[in-house]
Amino acid sequence: AQTVTQSQPEMSVQEAETVTLSCTYDTSESDYYLFWYKQPPSRQMILVIRQEAYKQQNATENRFSVNFQKAAKSFSLKISDSQLGDAAMYFCAYRSGRGSTLGRLYFGRGTQLTVWP
Amino acid sequence: GAGVSQTPSNKVTEKGKYVELRCDPISGHTALYWYRQSLGQGPEFLIYFQGTGAADDSGLPNDRFFAVRPEGSVSTLKIQRTERGDSAVYLCASSPAHTINYNEQFFGPGTRLTVL
Repeated sequence: AQTVTQSQPEMSVQEAETVTLSCTYDTSESDYYLFWYKQPPSRQMILVIRQEAYKQQNATENRFSVNFQKAAKSFSLKISDSQLGDAAMYFCAYRSGRGSTLGRLYFGRGTQLTVWP
Repeated sequence: GAGVSQTPSNKVTEKGKYVELRCDPISGHTALYWYRQSLGQGPEFLIYFQGTGAADDSGLPNDRFFAVRPEGSVSTLKIQRTERGDSAVYLCASSPAHTINYNEQFFGPGTRLTVL
């Protein structure tokens, strides 16, 4: 089974600064998708950004961008100009591109991000 | 439009009891997913449906867990003979289709189950 590892249980950042959250994954597949989800205290998971493994270009969504290193199986999230509303638990997730486990997301254990004013 | 809704928001039960957790997906979404999130962990996959049928139920931990989606919309997760280890937040998600792999899964707010 695929595994997703987030080695930073907690991170903190000053408002308006930049922070990077780390994620590594283990897979033997070549066709897959990677995601970052945000989970505020309301518990509702919100998609932040996604990356297709076949794309070399790193995905960007406004203040959020990723550094996708396929050979190293690394997928980090960079948050620029951090805002108080960015404070949440962030989960990295993996999804197969084919096969019997197509429908499921594999999640890491999460990184709790605190944003200081 | 309305998002994924889950009821109840919180459920407290006693060990050995039976519980049902309900999920209302976004209208028109054919794929529906259940995950379990234990304290301090990321969500773990339980089962997903494509339409009325379970396309993958390999994440269900044992035969005390069962889920249905009889009309291809609302789904119910059923847990028999609950144990304290079943305490967790149960998340439901839906998406327009699973064949388009990058389709976002839209999550509900979850049901927090506490087994005393």
